[in-house]
Amino acid sequence: GAVVSQHPSWVICKSGTSVKIECRSLDFQATTMFWYRQFPKQSLMLMATSNEGSKATYEQGVEKDKFLINHASLTLSTLTVTSAHPEDSSFYICSARDIGYEQYFGPGTRLTVT
Amino acid sequence: GESVGLHLPTLSVQEGDNSIINCAYSNSASDYFIWYKQESGKGPQFIIDIRSNMDKRQGQRVTVLLNKTVKHLSLQIAATQPGDSAVYFCAGNQAGTALIFGKGTTLSVSS
Repeated sequence: GAVVSQHPSWVICKSGTSVKIECRSLDFQATTMFWYRQFPKQSLMLMATSNEGSKATYEQGVEKDKFLINHASLTLSTLTVTSAHPEDSSFYICSARDIGYEQYFGPGTRLTVT
Repeated sequence: GESVGLHLPTLSVQEGDNSIINCAYSNSASDYFIWYKQESGKGPQFIIDIRSNMDKRQGQRVTVLLNKTVKHLSLQIAATQPGDSAVYFCAGNQAGTALIFGKGTTLSVSS
């Protein structure tokens, strides 16, 4: 099956710094990638949808200037959390879709902001 | 917009029993549904999917039922095993848009 990787798998950063999370489709070209956030004991909440070569579409309530998404190639999307605060601590999960319906999920990145 | 939810937050079963996890959705235009399993600290793991032109689909030990009339789907796990213990999410979408997840049901299997 299709494989999606994320890097890093976990990261700890200080408040006010920025963190970049990478999402890669390893064996297929992802025309669309999605970013989700999951707080403890809650469901996955869609943050944004990104298509290769175009600007990401953010869900209501998600600050685009704080969560910068870049989808520069068909196999890589990045999420940068800028000026991170403790409330940004969460599990960030990406998914990628090729031309079909199915979304393939990455293993997630645990972000802790101290 | 799309809204997907599950009926019960937790379900406890004995090893060997059959488990049924339910989900209701609100968007009648949704045409694709998936069940995912998520273990602690990991990303969602695909279990089984179903399109809206079907009402039942079977996999290995799992069956998904879709009732479009009442906008309800369920996941049946046969002969539940301790390794099935996890959080289960239903998710749905329309025409290739992003999947929207329900709240999740925690399945606990005791041996």
